[in-house]
Amino acid sequence: DVKVTQSSRYLVKRTGEKVFLECVQDMDHENMFWYRQDPGLGLRLIYFSYDVKMKEKGDIPEGYSVSREKKERFSLILESASTNQTSMYLCASSFPWGSETQYFGPGTRLLVL
Amino acid sequence: AQSVTQPDIHITVSEGASLELRCNYSYGATPYLFWYVQSPGQGLQLLLKYFSGDTLVQGIKGFEAEFKRSQSSFNLRKPSVHWSDAAEYFCAVGEDNAGNMLTFGGGTRLMVKP
Repeated sequence: DVKVTQSSRYLVKRTGEKVFLECVQDMDHENMFWYRQDPGLGLRLIYFSYDVKMKEKGDIPEGYSVSREKKERFSLILESASTNQTSMYLCASSFPWGSETQYFGPGTRLLVL
Repeated sequence: AQSVTQPDIHITVSEGASLELRCNYSYGATPYLFWYVQSPGQGLQLLLKYFSGDTLVQGIKGFEAEFKRSQSSFNLRKPSVHWSDAAEYFCAVGEDNAGNMLTFGGGTRLMVKP
């Protein structure tokens, strides 16, 4: 079975802190994604990566950056956390073709105080 | 740009009743269409997907969905709902030339009455 793991299920941070969210997949997928999930808004794409060291902005990249140094690992970075970044963050991975299924991790619920 | 609309934010059905969750999309070409389910505190799990061929797609847990190009719809159905189906359901559309990026609808939260 495909496994996508996220480093934390719950995080509490203070405004201005630098926050790292990590995601690891074990299926040798080329593509990895970071989404933000908010009630009524569904999932919105923050960034995705289609190869090591490659990244593309999604719909809401402001305030976030990403890093992909190894194929299996994709990190989301909040350079200076703000209260409006309180949300659920979901990581996913897939093979590169349009019909391919994205496999999701369990999510990290981040609270910024 | 593509978009996905799930008109029903919340739906409540009785256990054993039939279910239909609506999904409408906007996309110029033939889309790739997905339904995912999210149980409380969990990530998303794929229920089914359509990318070509038969417009009636069977998925896991007894779910099915029908792609209707003329109506730009991909509604999810189940003939008899179980209490364990209570969850949030997301419809998504993907395109072939965008690195497998998906656009998600806002979700429908399903509650099941005993």
